[in-house]
Amino acid sequence: GAVVSQHPSWVICKSGTSVKIECRSLDFQATTMFWYRQFPKQSLMLMATSNEGSKATYEQGVEKDKFLINHASLTLSTLTVTSAHPEDSSFYICSVQYRGRGNTIYFGEGSWLTVV
Amino acid sequence: SQKIEQNSEALNIQEGKTATLTCNYTNYSPAYLQWYRQDPGRGPVFLLLIRENEKEKRKERLKVTFDTTLKQSLFHITASQPADSATYLCALMTGGTSYGKLTFGQGTILTVHP
Repeated sequence: GAVVSQHPSWVICKSGTSVKIECRSLDFQATTMFWYRQFPKQSLMLMATSNEGSKATYEQGVEKDKFLINHASLTLSTLTVTSAHPEDSSFYICSVQYRGRGNTIYFGEGSWLTVV
Repeated sequence: SQKIEQNSEALNIQEGKTATLTCNYTNYSPAYLQWYRQDPGRGPVFLLLIRENEKEKRKERLKVTFDTTLKQSLFHITASQPADSATYLCALMTGGTSYGKLTFGQGTILTVHP
């Protein structure tokens, strides 16, 4: 069964509004989760590292004030896209690394965001 | 600059043949190299991981090789089936403070024809 769950699977929002995407680690506690973005026909690009109980670490070029990450518990990280614009429309995917299973990294099913 | 390249954007093969996908990288010193399968509209699914000190790894019909001198990994699917049709991604993990962070290639779309 799924190890990492994302919600919602897809969402449509109006330009200028904010959208929250949840990533849950179902089988184990995760002090670190990762958020990726994937545009159509492109590969996954790491956006940020979500750290439980502390600030997220953002990759170069990713606006931290636009993509708010909260990792308030050991099983939940949220990504909030603030003041969304059509160019933010993308596939957002989270991942969790399970060191107890040979460092295997598990991905969520992804969340499709469409901003209209 | 750092680069990961999967040499073929698309690969078409006949059922039963062996599919071979290539991943080359420059200016990286990966601790691990991983291969994932991604179906349309879904998140990547882990297939195989190979460490920098390993040359080859196998899992059922899958085989991965890792040549740190050539800076290349080959991914083989033997006795391919139409159900193997998907996008295959290679990804590097450099370890240390970057542990768990993956850098992906652009993917190869594999189509296995019956």
